[in-house]
Parts: sequence; structure tokens; C-alpha cells
Amino acid sequence: DAGITQSPRYKITETGRQVTLMCHQTWSHSYMFWYRQDLGHGLRLIYYSAAADITDKGEVPDGYVVSRSKTENFPLTLESATRSQTSVYFCASSELVNQPQHFGDGTRLSIL
Amino acid sequence: SQQGEEDPQALSIQEGENATMNCSYKTSINNLQWYRQNSGRGLVHLILIRSNEREKHSGRLRVTLDTSKKSSSLLITASRAADTASYFCATDNGGNTPLVFGKGTRLSVIA
Repeated sequence: DAGITQSPRYKITETGRQVTLMCHQTWSHSYMFWYRQDLGHGLRLIYYSAAADITDKGEVPDGYVVSRSKTENFPLTLESATRSQTSVYFCASSELVNQPQHFGDGTRLSIL
Repeated sequence: SQQGEEDPQALSIQEGENATMNCSYKTSINNLQWYRQNSGRGLVHLILIRSNEREKHSGRLRVTLDTSKKSSSLLITASRAADTASYFCATDNGGNTPLVFGKGTRLSVIA
């Protein structure tokens, strides 16, 4: 089935550790996005990508690294996790940057 | 930074009533989109309205756009318990930039 899948769904880790969140889409959409969702802040864009090997910063990129070697995958890495990065992370994709986005079901990340 | 701001932040209604949510934004837009998010799930696109459109319907959903007031409203008619969710507006501000999402309205429909 076509869709966008995120893994893991839940993750608990400790401060200072590296953690990678995975995102895979089967539509061959050009654009992919990473958001974090926190109470009181709504959805904030971390990074996005227009195509393989093309990435751009969003509103809150500090502390995060992304890569896009293949069109279908867009992993998000926290190189040294901090408690402030505890959040729910959503990946999304769309064919054009301003067209409707398709979202995964999120990764709930807790950093102790 | 947030472009769209939804109002109210939370809304509680009885099943069968209509629910109206509003979104205000600050700069000109190419289109405005509404999304729904059920608890524990990702956002789901509902409807897109372009800047040259004033009203759009999809099933029980009715969206209006007033570019002179920089605002949009989402009306859900004859609400059901299954409509309980958070609703977000997102604006396309042009210039090949990503959508900007608001903070959402939490709708509770009581059976």
C-alpha cells in the first residue's frame, strides 16, 4: 500500500546519545518534511528536502541533521540528544512544496 | 514562525450541532489548507482553497476564504463523535517555501 511510514513509533533515550528517526514514502514525492509537535507550539518545521541530496533548514533546525540519499527515505538524526528535544516528530511528503502533505503517524521521542 | 492562527483553541459541542473554526493569517497567500489530526495520528489533509476562491465544499465540510480580512473558516455540519480531533490550517505563502501550520483547534463532539 502506498503511504508514509515512520519508525520507531516510540523511543526513549538518554541525553547525549545519538538517535535516528526513519521516514519512508512510497509515492515518489519530490518533497519530504520533518516537523516536531509540542503543546503550545503547534507544528514546527525542522528540515525539508526538495529532492535527493537537496535539503533546507526550517524554523527549528538546531541540533538536528538530515540526509536524503534516496527519494523515498528521509532520516532525521539527533546527534547529541537534549531534553528539550523530547517531542512528537512527524514526517510528511508532497509532490510540490505548496501542495497537500501526507503525514506519517509520528515518532514519540522521550529524552531522559 | 506561525502564519495561521486558529480560533478558538478548543471547542466542545453536542453531536448534530455545527462546528465552526477560524484561521487568521498575516501575509498574502496562494492557497490555504485545512488538516485534521486524530489523537495519536498524523495530520490528514481535508481541503485546499486557492486565493481566488471564496468558498469550497467537501461532504459535510465547508471552507470560506476572505482575503481582504486575511481569514478562513472551516464549518463542519451535523457533527459526529468521530469528528473529534484537532484541526489545523496551513498557508502557502508563495516563493517556493513550505506550508506554515497554525497551532490548531481542538474539537470535542459529545455524543
